[in-house]
This record gives sequence, structure tokens and C-alpha cells, in this order.
Amino acid sequence: DGGITQSPKYLFRKEGQNVTLSCEQNLNHDAMYWYRQDPGQGLRLIYYSQIVNDFQKGDIAEGYSVSREKKESFPLTVTSAQKNPTAFYLCASTGYGNSPLHFGNGTRLTVT
Amino acid sequence: KNQVEQSPQSLIILEGKNCTLQCNYTVSPFSNLRWYKQDTGRGPVSLTIMTFSENTKSNGRYTATLDADTKQSSLHITASQLSDSASYICVVSAVNSGAGSYQLTFGKGTKLSVIP
Repeated sequence: DGGITQSPKYLFRKEGQNVTLSCEQNLNHDAMYWYRQDPGQGLRLIYYSQIVNDFQKGDIAEGYSVSREKKESFPLTVTSAQKNPTAFYLCASTGYGNSPLHFGNGTRLTVT
Repeated sequence: KNQVEQSPQSLIILEGKNCTLQCNYTVSPFSNLRWYKQDTGRGPVSLTIMTFSENTKSNGRYTATLDADTKQSSLHITASQLSDSASYICVVSAVNSGAGSYQLTFGKGTKLSVIP
């Protein structure tokens, strides 16, 4: 089945540690996205990539980093510089034009 | 600034009843509007897309409407089922003609609970 796989589903880290969230897709989509979802708020764009080896900052990129070495993979690193990292993180991809976003099932990160 | 406002914030209905969710937007230039369903702890899934020229579109028990003049959309759910319990997110796409891309603005969602 084609889709987007995010792992792990739950992640716990101590404050001050970097952590990397995995996102893999087998939909052959060029564009991939990372969103953050907090209670009572709409999804906010962290980073996006429209092609391999290229990515752009979204609205809330500070404290995060990404890489796009392969078309299928778009990992997100939450660094210690992110002031409030506890959240639900969603990865998405989309094909040509204005086709819908296909989302993974998210990673819930808790930093204490 | 592009904005999408959804109402109500939350809604509880009895199984079998109908309900309507609202989405008002100030997004320009408008490309399309999508409704997504997000089950708890999972990613959103696209239900329907509305373009400028479309007034009504159905997907099973879900019917979306769009009034491009008043910049309002609604999602009507008929004969609700327990499995309809989820958050429903309205997402409006604006054309970024200079870059040939699209900018998405997300609503905060309406949390629907269907009870037996």
C-alpha cells in the first residue's frame, strides 16, 4: 500500500537533547512537508521541500532542521534551541499541482 | 493576512442526527477549499475539494457547499455514525502565481463527538 510512514508514534526526550523524527513515503511525491499541531490551534508549517536536496523554511522553522537527501525521506530534527518542542508532529506529501496532502499518522513528542 | 475561521469549536450530537460545520475564510487569491477529517491520534484525510465554480459536492454522507461571494463553506453530515467522531479541518489554498505554488491556510478545526 502506498502511504506515508512516521516513526516513532510516541517519543520522549529530556530537555536539551536533539531528537530526529522519521518520515518516509512511497507515493513518488516530489513535495514533502512538516507541520506542528498544538491543542486548539491549526496546523503550522515548519519546513517543506519541493525537490530532493532543496527545502524551505515555513512559518515556525526556528529550532528545527531538515534534510532531503532522498525523494522518499524527509526527517525532521527538533533541536535544543526549540523553546517549546512538546507537540504532535505531522509529515505530509503531495503530488503535482494542487493535489491533496497525504498525511502520516504523526509523532507525539514529549520533552520534559 | 489569510485567515480561516471554523465554527463551532466543538459539537456533540446523537447518533443518527445531522449536523453542519462552518468555515469562513479571507484568503486571496482563492484557489480551492478542502475539508479534512482527522481521527484522534492520526493524520488528516481529505474528504472533499471545492473550487471556485463549485457550489455543492457530496462524498457519501458528507456534503460540502461553497459560497465564493461570501467566502463561506459548510460541511453537512447526514445520519451521523459513531465513526464520524473526529476533528474536521477546513483548509483554503491561495495561488502564489509568482512562484507557481500554493499557500495553505488551516482552520483550527471543529471537534465532533457522536454519542449513542
